[in-house]
Amino acid sequence: KQEVTQIPAALSVPEGENLVLNCSFTDSAIYNLQWFRQDPGKGLTSLLLIQSSQREQTSGRLNASLDKSSGRSTLYIAASQPGDSATYLCAARTGGGNKLTFGTGTQLKVEL
Amino acid sequence: KAGVTQTPRYLIKTRGQQVTLSCSPISGHRSVSWYQQTPGQGLQFLFEYFSETQRNKGNFPGRFSGRQFSNSRSEMNVSTLELGDSALYLCASSLQGVDTGELFFGEGSRLTVL
Repeated sequence: KQEVTQIPAALSVPEGENLVLNCSFTDSAIYNLQWFRQDPGKGLTSLLLIQSSQREQTSGRLNASLDKSSGRSTLYIAASQPGDSATYLCAARTGGGNKLTFGTGTQLKVEL
Repeated sequence: KAGVTQTPRYLIKTRGQQVTLSCSPISGHRSVSWYQQTPGQGLQFLFEYFSETQRNKGNFPGRFSGRQFSNSRSEMNVSTLELGDSALYLCASSLQGVDTGELFFGEGSRLTVL
């Protein structure tokens, strides 16, 4: 059974700082891993999708890496801004279909 | 291009009632999956539909059911509501319906059971 863990559970940083969010998964036989952002009371916004054959993906100030052998993914946010404040979730797809196993999220606060 | 649309956004029910939630996927997407989000359990997979067929099912009781129509729109139903069913129910759609497609989520339907 796939289990996904995210550390830290909460993080507070000053504006402008570069930061790394961590995601660990127990079953390395994943099809892909997707990072999401969730604002309070809202749905999920897809940030990056990394296929199992890829090592990293980049979108603007975001960079996500994937190391299947160690069961880890990281989300790097460069030059953080207050608008980045949200909960960040990673989700692993294991097995057939679109069943995702989600981590518990990292709640990020970027302060002025 | 419209995103995933879920209705209703908010609803309040009492124990024992039943509820139906609706999800319209992104145009052209054929796979729809449903998730339950609660503070205690986080995000949990309910079920997935592709071309009107249930492809996957999570570990939820039979009170939770769903279906998909020929236009890919999906509904989920919860019967005999319990207090613990209070949650944000999220729908996601995917273009390819295979194992590598990106999932796009709606804003969710927040259900409160009194």
